[in-house]
Amino acid sequence: SQQGEEDPQALSIQEGENATMNCSYKTSINNLQWYRQNSGRGLVHLILIRSNEREKHSGRLRVTLDTSKKSSSLLITASRAADTASYFCATDLHTGGGNKLTFGTGTQLKVEL
Amino acid sequence: NAGVMQNPRHLVRRRGQEARLRCSPMKGHSHVYWYRQLPEEGLKFMVYLQKENIIDESGMPKERFSAEFPKEGPSILRIQQVVRGDSAAYFCASSNRDRQETQYFGPGTRLLVL
Repeated sequence: SQQGEEDPQALSIQEGENATMNCSYKTSINNLQWYRQNSGRGLVHLILIRSNEREKHSGRLRVTLDTSKKSSSLLITASRAADTASYFCATDLHTGGGNKLTFGTGTQLKVEL
Repeated sequence: NAGVMQNPRHLVRRRGQEARLRCSPMKGHSHVYWYRQLPEEGLKFMVYLQKENIIDESGMPKERFSAEFPKEGPSILRIQQVVRGDSAAYFCASSNRDRQETQYFGPGTRLLVL
């Protein structure tokens, strides 16, 4: 599998339900970030979790990181139709200068009324 | 406070033509990243630039692609002699210092090669 691979590829839920997406990666990281992309639009940064952190919250978002399993999960609670989008995890490998992010293929979330 | 701006938003080129994609980073940002997104895929890193310098171009194809970030003006991603396989969305991101963790993305340029 590639660095930053999301699971499932697609998820369809009812409004009000929780949505959980998982991300696995292969090499050591400095941090892991989650982004949202609405259809045909740019990426919106959601949350960043550092390698020494295990859990982080932001509003209805909860991210966990397990460095021993090289995996992360994004939980969206009480989902809304407006949460319909693709969600990507991105890892920062800290190789050389800059923050070269490596993205997974994403999870397409559809929240139905 | 304007975010990252990219233009054009959509670009159609015939095979063999040149494509020029522009990116204006957020105000105060001097670090620019270019990524490419093929249909149904995640973003792939192409190049990282600071003002007047290419820092990391490990993701750039060896031929036909070039990037610059001049002292004045936007960053330019240039694709010469485009082929159909170049059709993709090209995103620019910026940050205000090296090793800043959060990158701010523009809306992207969608290139279609006929």
